[in-house]
Amino acid sequence: DAKTTQPPSMDCAEGRAANLPCNHSTISGNEYVYWYRQIHSQGPQYIIHGLKNNETNEMASLIITEDRKSSTLILPHATLRDTAVYYCIVPQSTGANSKLTFGKGITLSVRP
Amino acid sequence: EPEVTQTPSHQVTQMGQEVILRCVPISNHLYFYWYRQILGQKVEFLVSFYNNEISEKSEIFDDQFSVERPDGSNFTLKIRSTKLEDSAMYFCASRARAGTDTQYFGPGTRLTVL
Repeated sequence: DAKTTQPPSMDCAEGRAANLPCNHSTISGNEYVYWYRQIHSQGPQYIIHGLKNNETNEMASLIITEDRKSSTLILPHATLRDTAVYYCIVPQSTGANSKLTFGKGITLSVRP
Repeated sequence: EPEVTQTPSHQVTQMGQEVILRCVPISNHLYFYWYRQILGQKVEFLVSFYNNEISEKSEIFDDQFSVERPDGSNFTLKIRSTKLEDSAMYFCASRARAGTDTQYFGPGTRLTVL
């Protein structure tokens, strides 16, 4: 898998936007960027993914730089329930295996 | 919304005993996975399963581990002779098809080996 680098932690105030950065400078042209989160010890939860274009869904927005070497996950109005570990993952190309390799992620703390 | 389910939520066993962890993947998904997370550590890939056979397994997935899809809905992980170091959260995941990497995870089974 392409290696990703995330800061270990960040915090933001409730109601404000949380911008979570990720570097993936070795990403290749057909590899997607995926974001998952894990709240406490629950199962990882899929958030969003993208290839080149910015993506938005009901949970978050994903901004990918033009050179695709980095991306930012944006939670537009963070709530206390968004406190979690967020993982930026670049899986190997889709195929039979397509396992996910989790790093340490970034711990987001949303403060009241 | 369809989801992956896992049972039991917590399993306590004695060292050397066999355990079976059960998962019901999302209906019509074709690819199945087991991951584990030792307390305080990263989520680690164990095994992937497609078309009734193992696609890939990690170094962790030794001869003590096996997986099975006994019927059209369940996907199981068996640990033949549990060790203390097998204590962890075990997560099942499923994926719809080739062409997407999106995996959906279950809530996990906490395995405690005494």
